[in-house]
Amino acid sequence: AQSVTQLGSHVSVSEGALVLLRCNYSSSVPPYLFWYVQYPNQGLQLLLKYTTGATLVKGINGFEAEFKKSETSFHLTKPSAHMSDAAEYFCAVSAPSGAGSYQLTFGKGTKLSVIP
Amino acid sequence: GAGVSQSPSNKVTEKGKDVELRCDPISGHTALYWYRQSLGQGLEFLIYFQGNSAPDKSGLPSDRFSAERTGGSVSTLTIQRTQQEDSAVYLCASSLRGAYEQFFGPGTRLTVL
Repeated sequence: AQSVTQLGSHVSVSEGALVLLRCNYSSSVPPYLFWYVQYPNQGLQLLLKYTTGATLVKGINGFEAEFKKSETSFHLTKPSAHMSDAAEYFCAVSAPSGAGSYQLTFGKGTKLSVIP
Repeated sequence: GAGVSQSPSNKVTEKGKDVELRCDPISGHTALYWYRQSLGQGLEFLIYFQGNSAPDKSGLPSDRFSAERTGGSVSTLTIQRTQQEDSAVYLCASSLRGAYEQFFGPGTRLTVL
């Protein structure tokens, strides 16, 4: 079984400041890890993913995340926040189930506000 | 190309009525997932289809919920005898195969009065 914990349901940063959204996971098998973004009244858009290989993963819109197995973490960062980054962010873990499904287990989400 | 589409975008129904929600996955994607997003429970997995294999129904919350996928493409999620706690946004996602990136549709917002 897998689980995801996102620290902080709401994070506020100033425009131009560092964005850091925290995610810790639990998985009994090597996981695939994802960050999704959701803008109001829209579906989920993939920001980045980790499957295997390089542990520092770069995504869209200047975001990146680092897989740290020893810390079971996959924190999302962006050096400089932009107003358009205001949205809700979801960390998710995926691993094969007995039925062959790779369903995503999501964290509760972190709503990012960017202050001008 | 076209992404995942869902219809209707909004559905308001009365308690006790049945509803059907539709998902059109990306052409060629063999895997299809349904999720539910609600204020109290967050994002939850409901059901998974892969090709012609038996679906993984392990996330369905009760026997009032069912889904089918015809011809390996379009999927319908049916909720019978709706209850107020069924109010949520129902999201559909598809992927090339089970382990690949999932692409999400815009969702159907269901309100049960």
